[in-house]
Amino acid sequence: DQQVKQNSPSLSVQEGRISILNCDYTNSMFDYFLWYKKYPAEGPTFLISISSIKDKNEDGRFTVFLNKSAKHLSLHIVPSQPGDSAVYFCAASHLTGNQFYFGTGTSLTVIP
Amino acid sequence: NAGVMQNPRHLVRRRGQEARLRCSPMKGHSHVYWYRQLPEEGLKFMVYLQKENIIDESGMPKERFSAEFPKEGPSILRIQQVVRGDSAAYFCASSRSVPSGGNNEQFFGPGTRLTVL
Repeated sequence: DQQVKQNSPSLSVQEGRISILNCDYTNSMFDYFLWYKKYPAEGPTFLISISSIKDKNEDGRFTVFLNKSAKHLSLHIVPSQPGDSAVYFCAASHLTGNQFYFGTGTSLTVIP
Repeated sequence: NAGVMQNPRHLVRRRGQEARLRCSPMKGHSHVYWYRQLPEEGLKFMVYLQKENIIDESGMPKERFSAEFPKEGPSILRIQQVVRGDSAAYFCASSRSVPSGGNNEQFFGPGTRLTVL
C-alpha cells in the first residue's frame, strides 16, 4: 500500500530552468513532509521540509508547496543546476506514527 | 565526519547464510531506523529503535529478520537464512528525538548493499 506516490520516475530540465517535482499522498493524517535527495551509492540527504500548518517553505533555490486539500506537494528548484541531478524522494509522517513513508523517487537530470 | 555510519558497504551472501548489518548513529542521536530499498522502489520502513528498545517493528518481515540497538555499540540488523529476495540496499537513519512532529529530519547512512547469490 503506497501511501506516498511520485508518479514521474524521471524528469529532464535544462540548466537555469525550473524543476518541478510532484508528490501525492493518500493518508490525511500526515502532517509533516520532507524532500530528500539521493546520489548513486549514497544515502538520502535531507533537503527541505514543511509542516501541515504551512503551505509553502523556501530555502534558497528550493521551495516546497503543500496543498492539503489535494493531498499534493511539490518541490521547485530554481534555477536548476547540473549538480542537482539526483533522485528525489518525498516522505511523510504523522504525529501518532514512528516512521517516514517514502515515495518511489523521481530521477532528475539537469542538462548543461 | 560524525555522520551516520554503516558497514559493510557491500555484503555478499549465499542463500541460507546469515547477514549482519551495522549502523552507528550520529553523535547525540538516540533513535535509529532501518529502511530497505528494493530495486526500482522507494525506501520502505522496517524498524525503529531506541537504546535497548524496539519501538516499532511494523515493517519488519515476521521471520528471519531481527534488529537490536544495545546500550553500547552499533545497531544491528540481522537476517537469517537469507534468500535471493533479500537482495536490496539497507539504509539506516538516526534522529535526535521522536520522528514525527515537525523539524526533526532523519539523517541517513550510505547504506549496505546486500547481494544474495
